[in-house]
Amino acid sequence: EAGVVQSPRYKIIEKKQPVAFWCNPISGHNTLYWYRQNLGQGPELLIRYENEEAVDDSQLPKDRFSAERLKGVDSTLKIQPAELGDSAVYLCASSLVAGTDSGANVLTFGAGSRLTVL
Amino acid sequence: GEDVEQSLFLSVREGDSSVINCTYTDSSSTYLYWYKQEPGAGLQLLTYIFSNMDMKQDQRLTVLLNKKDKHLSLRIADTQTGDSAIYFCAETEGSYIPTFGRGTSLIVHP
Repeated sequence: EAGVVQSPRYKIIEKKQPVAFWCNPISGHNTLYWYRQNLGQGPELLIRYENEEAVDDSQLPKDRFSAERLKGVDSTLKIQPAELGDSAVYLCASSLVAGTDSGANVLTFGAGSRLTVL
Repeated sequence: GEDVEQSLFLSVREGDSSVINCTYTDSSSTYLYWYKQEPGAGLQLLTYIFSNMDMKQDQRLTVLLNKKDKHLSLRIADTQTGDSAIYFCAETEGSYIPTFGRGTSLIVHP
C-alpha cells in the first residue's frame, strides 16, 4: 500500500501565479480532506469530500481556491492567483468513513505539498 | 479561542518519560487522538481514546483522559531520540472531523 500520495512535494512561485496540488488517497477510502498547515500551527481543514461530493468547504477561500475530486478518487486543489499569505504546507488525508457512528475517524495523511509564494 | 490547546515545546533527556498535555473545550467530544509529525512528513496516528475511557496503554504510550477537566495527556516511557517530533492532539465530536491543536515540539537530548 503506497499510502496517501501527494505531488508536488515542493513548489515555489511568484505571487499572482497559479498553482495546483494533486492527491491520490488510500484505495477504498471514500472521504478525502485538504488541510492547510501554516508554520508552527496545526492543520486546518479547507475542504472535505465524501466520494465525489464536497460536504464541507466552509473554510475554503472560494475567491481564489478551488478543488475537485472527479470519480471520487484523486483530487486536485488549485490556487489562482496565489498570494504571499498562501505560503504553507497543504496536506491531503483520507479516511474510510466519516459522519457516521462507526467509531473513531482515523485519518491517513500524505507527506504534504510545501508552497512558497515570493 | 482555540478549541484544542497544547504547550509548544517539551525538552527531555533520553531514557526519561515525556508527558505531553492537551486541553480541549468541546464537552461533546467523542474521541481524542494523538498524532505524530516528523520533519517533512505528514501526520501519523499514534493512538486514540474514546471519551468514556480514562486510560489507554499501548507499549510505551499511555493516554490519560480527564473528561471533567477536559484534559488529555500522552506519556511516552523511555523516550528515545527517534521520538523527537511534533505531537498533535485532536478531537472529534458530532461531525467526526478532527480539530487539531497547534502541536507540541518534543526535543529529546542525550
